[in-house]
Amino acid sequence: KNQVEQSPQSLIILEGKNCTLQCNYTVSPFSNLRWYKQDTGRGPVSLTIMTFSENTKSNGRYTATLDADTKQSSLHITASQLSDSASYICVVTRNSGNTPLVFGKGTRLSVIA
Amino acid sequence: IAGITQAPTSQILAAGRRMTLRCTQDMRHNAMYWYRQDLGLGLRLIHYSNTAGTTGKGEVPDGYSVSRANTDDFPLTLASAVPSQTSVYFCASSAQEGGEKLFFGSGTQLSVL
Repeated sequence: KNQVEQSPQSLIILEGKNCTLQCNYTVSPFSNLRWYKQDTGRGPVSLTIMTFSENTKSNGRYTATLDADTKQSSLHITASQLSDSASYICVVTRNSGNTPLVFGKGTRLSVIA
Repeated sequence: IAGITQAPTSQILAAGRRMTLRCTQDMRHNAMYWYRQDLGLGLRLIHYSNTAGTTGKGEVPDGYSVSRANTDDFPLTLASAVPSQTSVYFCASSAQEGGEKLFFGSGTQLSVL
């Protein structure tokens, strides 16, 4: 079954600290993986996309990794800010089907002062 | 500002009433989607349209209908609302079907009493 599992469900960290969010998937055949950030009361916004051949990609203080062999991705946030408080959603795209996107349930991150 | 506009922002509805959620995009994207987001369940696809004039069923289509008369508009109709349809509804679009970066609206909070 095509699934995307994210961990932890929620996380609270102090401002300035680093954190890592995990995404494990069983989606096949794999096309790409995206991380979205969803602020409270807003729609998700794409942070980064990882394709099969990419291991690491950075977007400012956000760094995504992908291990296609173990079917795992992570999103590392460096020097967290209060504005990083949001839900982070992992979405894996299959290479087939009419509805190829498989969504994780998200990780709720709270950054506190 | 280019993007997706959803209306209304929020709505309280009596069970059994008919309701149409509106979605308009000005990016000339081919594909559009309707998702519902519930606590603990994440985003689930209701209906989608890969191009004007075509629609398809997602993961949770029962009780909902859509139409795609033109590229820009993709309304979602609840013919006879039930309390289980209480949720936050997000409209999204992408330049091409499947796997492309999704652009989301700000959502409609719907409460069915």
